[in-house]
Amino acid sequence: AQSVSQHNHHVILSEAASLELGCNYSYGGTVNLFWYVQYPGQHLQLLLKYFSGDPLVKGIKGFEAEFIKSKFSFNLRKPSVQWSDTAEYFCAVIPSGSARQLTFGSGTQLTVLP
Amino acid sequence: SQTIHQWPATLVQPVGSPLSLECTVEGTSNPNLYWYRQAAGRGLQLLFYSVGIGQISSEVPQNLSASRPQDRQFILSSKKLLLSDSGFYLCAWRAGQGARETQYFGPGTRLLVL
Repeated sequence: AQSVSQHNHHVILSEAASLELGCNYSYGGTVNLFWYVQYPGQHLQLLLKYFSGDPLVKGIKGFEAEFIKSKFSFNLRKPSVQWSDTAEYFCAVIPSGSARQLTFGSGTQLTVLP
Repeated sequence: SQTIHQWPATLVQPVGSPLSLECTVEGTSNPNLYWYRQAAGRGLQLLFYSVGIGQISSEVPQNLSASRPQDRQFILSSKKLLLSDSGFYLCAWRAGQGARETQYFGPGTRLLVL
């Protein structure tokens, strides 16, 4: 079965620092990849997604992610974080096949200090 | 546009009591619907999904059950709650088809079993 690993459980940054959150998945076939964000007290929102094409995907609020097929990775990045980016971030994968099950990583809590 | 509602937002129940959580979707017909649980410090775990009225697939053996009485209604139930049922329950619906599907989440229900 496929799995998704987010190795950073909690990341603490100062405002204006650069961010990179790791996401690795284990699945040998073609996949669709997602990053979701959950702000405090809010529901889970889609940040960005990758289906095919350009492996560098741009999402909302200045976030981007790069799909590196050879590394089975889909890391999330932002050049300069803001206090309002404090949230929990989830990477998710779904095989482009018949299973149709979205598998989530355990999440990374990002805390941005003002 | 499509919206997804969950009710109630928060619930505190004693061990052994029954449970009924409701999820409704507006603005789409015959959606695939999903129930996830997010336990504290862990990622999202898929519990059930439904491709249509009366069609339920269970992903993990547990104390919970699901039903789809109407096209846009998905119910999560239990006859007798356990302490381990505490968590944050998210309903999701699937947009798109095949290789370009994306799941969108409702606001969630926070359940505390005492």
